[in-house]
Amino acid sequence: EPEVTQTPSHQVTQMGQEVILRCVPISNHLYFYWYRQILGQKVEFLVSFYNNEISEKSEIFDDQFSVERPDGSNFTLKIRSTKLEDSAMYFCASSLPLTGDSNQPQHFGDGTRLSIL
Amino acid sequence: QKEVEQNSGPLSVPEGAIASLNCTYSDRGSQSFFWYRQYSGKSPELIMFIYSNGDKEDGRFTAQLNKASQYVSLLIRDSQPSDSATYLCAVTQRGGGNKLTFGTGTQLKVEL
Repeated sequence: EPEVTQTPSHQVTQMGQEVILRCVPISNHLYFYWYRQILGQKVEFLVSFYNNEISEKSEIFDDQFSVERPDGSNFTLKIRSTKLEDSAMYFCASSLPLTGDSNQPQHFGDGTRLSIL
Repeated sequence: QKEVEQNSGPLSVPEGAIASLNCTYSDRGSQSFFWYRQYSGKSPELIMFIYSNGDKEDGRFTAQLNKASQYVSLLIRDSQPSDSATYLCAVTQRGGGNKLTFGTGTQLKVEL
């Protein structure tokens, strides 16, 4: 069964440094997403991406964050000048486009655990 | 603020019993409803999705949706110890794109 792949599985970074989290969505999916989950808290939406542009972003997704689809398979999340509170699990997800009024299920990767020291 | 509420649990059921997990949502414009299972330290895994009022069955799982009362539930029949996990309810809003709004999850423990 096709799956979303994320690398690295764990990233440790000094505060203030930049990190890039990488994702390979399911090949025939057209919508891509990033979510994060701080330890012990709920999963939070960061951003959705469709047709090579951001389609929606949350209040969390400020100027510190950016996303890119550098080629036909990868989807990346860049966090500039990391802060302690950026420590979390970051999940990439992908889905097929909407069908009428129905949202297609999103399939999640295994996540990247980001630890900011 | 569009909220999705779940009882955090833990919900303990004996092996072989039916586990009933509930979720309420605040936005009447909510459009699509998803149940994910999350083992500790792992990613959300899609279990069920439902779009219309009523029941939807898939194997041991049944999702129930009542838009008038703004709740969605997940029934797990013949619960197994491997079902022990946190179950996340997630919804999308009409006009809100594909963004999933998650509840905090209900921890289920299936006891031998």
